[in-house]
Amino acid sequence: DAGITQSPRHKVTETGTPVTLRCHQTENHRYMYWYRQDPGHGLRLIHYSYGVKDTDKGEVSDGYSVSRSKTEDFLLTLESATSSQTSVYFCAIGPSPGNQPQHFGDGTRLSIL
Amino acid sequence: AQRVTQPEKLLSVFKGAPVELKCNYSYSGSPELFWYVQYSRQRLQLLLRHISRESIKGFTADLNKGETSFHLKKPFAQEEDSAMYYCALSGLGDSGYSTLTFGKGTMLLVSP
Repeated sequence: DAGITQSPRHKVTETGTPVTLRCHQTENHRYMYWYRQDPGHGLRLIHYSYGVKDTDKGEVSDGYSVSRSKTEDFLLTLESATSSQTSVYFCAIGPSPGNQPQHFGDGTRLSIL
Repeated sequence: AQRVTQPEKLLSVFKGAPVELKCNYSYSGSPELFWYVQYSRQRLQLLLRHISRESIKGFTADLNKGETSFHLKKPFAQEEDSAMYYCALSGLGDSGYSTLTFGKGTMLLVSP
């Protein structure tokens, strides 16, 4: 398995609180991604990064922000969590986009009450 | 815009039966296509990609550009094949970088 660690693995929090999820890689890959997985929707891209301090929005970026201050870490922040953000969040990494596959972390199960 | 369609939410077969998981895509350029598998409560794993034209765990998939399809097939299903299967397309987004677009997934259940 690719060296990807997501933390925390599970989190329960209340509406309106800030939440930060961390993705840490040991593969030195340039590209990192955050997805959310929801029944009936599959995986949807939230944000991605193509280098340190270089990020861009994905399909469902509203309500989320990201930061990448070093190659190995990619943080996803929910500034003020809402119940609609209850989901399983996956981080992925890749050496380059295009025909190279992405490798996924174990996921973070986030519940917002 | 790129789009991936997996028409079946659930496919239920008996052990030993043939399996075909359908995937259709919409993309104006030359697509790179993948199949990922997620076993119960595990991380997504790459199953295969069209560019390598390989067979993994007995599964194959052929890119048909005329029908814009990338169906996943296996001649004889096994119980351990039960999982969620995602078709994904890598294409250039508005930012100029390639991103993966996933279908909504098909749950395959193989009964004994």
